[in-house]
Amino acid sequence: QKEVEQNSGPLSVPEGAIASLNCTYSDRVSQSFFWYRQYSGKSPELIMSIYSNGDKEDGRFTAQLNKASQYVSLLIRDSQPSDSATYLCAVNVMTNAGGTSYGKLTFGQGTILTVHP
Amino acid sequence: SAVISQKPSRDICQRGTSLTIQCQVDSQVTMMFWYRQQPGQSLTLIATANQGSEATYESGFVIDKFPISRPNLTFSTLTVSNMSPEDSSIYLCSARTYRVSLDTEAFFGQGTRLTVV
Repeated sequence: QKEVEQNSGPLSVPEGAIASLNCTYSDRVSQSFFWYRQYSGKSPELIMSIYSNGDKEDGRFTAQLNKASQYVSLLIRDSQPSDSATYLCAVNVMTNAGGTSYGKLTFGQGTILTVHP
Repeated sequence: SAVISQKPSRDICQRGTSLTIQCQVDSQVTMMFWYRQQPGQSLTLIATANQGSEATYESGFVIDKFPISRPNLTFSTLTVSNMSPEDSSIYLCSARTYRVSLDTEAFFGQGTRLTVV
């Protein structure tokens, strides 16, 4: 099983609809979760971070976290063509190297979202 | 947030040669990470660079092929050595600073698009 798995894409939604992106993870002790957006040919940019169970809203974006089910999702309301991009789910995995503990991000394979007018 | 300047942005290199990619952060950061992203794929972590210690490499990546330097808290380099066409990819550097109670998001450089001919 992959450490971080996203719903298979690509996902196509009409403008104004809600886009739903899902992610499951295998490391039960993970505490931090991130959604990144990556436009073609660009580097990833952070959209949302979430640390606690429940919903977190920021404008048109809502992240949802359920640690018991090891599930994190991103909802995009009123989708716009400019939202068309690849969305990457990232899970913080704690590790230890040389006596130093730190978190490193493990990324899902990404979901390509297309919002058509 | 942190602003990361990565260079070169792209390069075309002859097989058998080496390329060093540089990353400069506008503030001190705890950890820097180097990723590889094949076309249409997600991010694969190559190694983690902690100032003052040797880099920690992920499975499948070795120091002889990808030597990394981290001379201070704002700078890191990745060298792709003895290149072959299979090394053609986008290389991304990333930086994180850790707060006591939360793991912060990672910021990314603009990426280096490497083509080996």
